[in-house]
Amino acid sequence: GNSVTQMEGPVTLSEEAFLTINCTYTATGYPSLFWYVQYPGEGLQLLLKATKADDKGSNKGFEATYRKETTSFHLEKGSVQVSDSAVYFCALSAYSGGGADGLTFGKGTHLIIQP
Amino acid sequence: DAEITQSPRHKITETGRQVTLACHQTWNHNNMFWYRQDLGHGLRLIHYSYGVQDTNKGEVSDGYSVSRSNTEDLPLTLESAASSQTSVYFCASSAGSGRADTQYFGPGTRLTVL
Repeated sequence: GNSVTQMEGPVTLSEEAFLTINCTYTATGYPSLFWYVQYPGEGLQLLLKATKADDKGSNKGFEATYRKETTSFHLEKGSVQVSDSAVYFCALSAYSGGGADGLTFGKGTHLIIQP
Repeated sequence: DAEITQSPRHKITETGRQVTLACHQTWNHNNMFWYRQDLGHGLRLIHYSYGVQDTNKGEVSDGYSVSRSNTEDLPLTLESAASSQTSVYFCASSAGSGRADTQYFGPGTRLTVL
């Protein structure tokens, strides 16, 4: 079956630090990969996505590259801000032929940025 | 603006009661999904639907049911609530049939079963 593994945290960083959140996956077929972000008390929002090998998704200074050879999709940001404090979820979608499958999520990484 | 809403936002119920959580989207999306979020598990898929009259079981469907009578709504019913179903429930929708489609999430319903 499909699965996603990510560091759970909490991850605590100082403002302007470099961020990496690791994500690896196992999937049948050729999945699409996503990073979602959840701010306190809210639903999930798409942060970025990539649909094929070597694609780079980017948004709001965050980046992640689809690495098929290492089955990874690590999230990076060069300089984090306090407003980036949230829970980050790595997820995959694998097409089964019947339609749009539900997402398979990692357990989430709680990121805390201190001023 | 198009949106996806859930109601109620908070619900407390007792073991054995039937509970229905509402999900309504105004994007005219074909696909709708229900997930539950628990600490240490992330989000797990309960049920999903590709269109009117279509429903499918997800990873953790036992004790839950859904029905799709129109495009906009996918209510989630707990037939006989159990304490293990205390969780935060999220509804989501997406437009197309491909694996690259973005899912849009509602704000969630926090359910407590006493």
